[in-house]
Amino acid sequence: KQEVTQIPAALSVPEGENLVLNCSFTDSAIYNLQWFRQDPGKGLTSLLLIQSSQREQTSGRLNASLDKSSGRSTLYIAASQPGDSATYLCAVRGNYGQNFVFGPGTRLSVLP
Amino acid sequence: EAQVTQNPRYLITVTGKKLTVTCSQNMNHEYMSWYRQDPGLGLRQIYYSMNVEVTDKGDVPEGYKVSRKEKRNFPLILESPSPNQTSLYFCASSLERGQGTRNTGELFFGEGSRLTVL
Repeated sequence: KQEVTQIPAALSVPEGENLVLNCSFTDSAIYNLQWFRQDPGKGLTSLLLIQSSQREQTSGRLNASLDKSSGRSTLYIAASQPGDSATYLCAVRGNYGQNFVFGPGTRLSVLP
Repeated sequence: EAQVTQNPRYLITVTGKKLTVTCSQNMNHEYMSWYRQDPGLGLRQIYYSMNVEVTDKGDVPEGYKVSRKEKRNFPLILESPSPNQTSLYFCASSLERGQGTRNTGELFFGEGSRLTVL
């Protein structure tokens, strides 16, 4: 059964820092991996999706990488801003059986 | 505009009064799913559906029912709500895997329904 973990659980950084959020999964037979952002009490916003054949995806200040063989994905946020403060979740979709498995999330605080 | 629509967005009800949370998607997606989210517990899957008339239990199905009579709709039914079902609920949908080379399998979420059971 696929298991997804995220480290760290919480992170607090000063504005302007570059930072990395980590997502690990146990079964490398994945269809895709998706990163989401969630503000407190709000819905999930899709940030980036990496298909199994891809190594990375970029959108603005965000870059997500995927290493299937090691079961890891990283979300890189450049020049962080207070508006980036939110919880970031990764979700893995398997090739078969159980569809989407979510990590517990990393709660990010960017201090002005 | 491609979207997943949930209703109601907010609801306060009392124990035992049956309620239905509707979910509709306009993207012709085969896969639909319901999640609940509680502080400290993350997202937990309630039920999912791989296609019309095909539904299956997720991790926390007790106290809930679903149906998938049409491809676009996937209502969540609470036959006799209890206070422990107070939560934030999300509906999500996606194309099933392998449906064409351009299918990224992206998961789309509704905006959420905050339910309070007194």
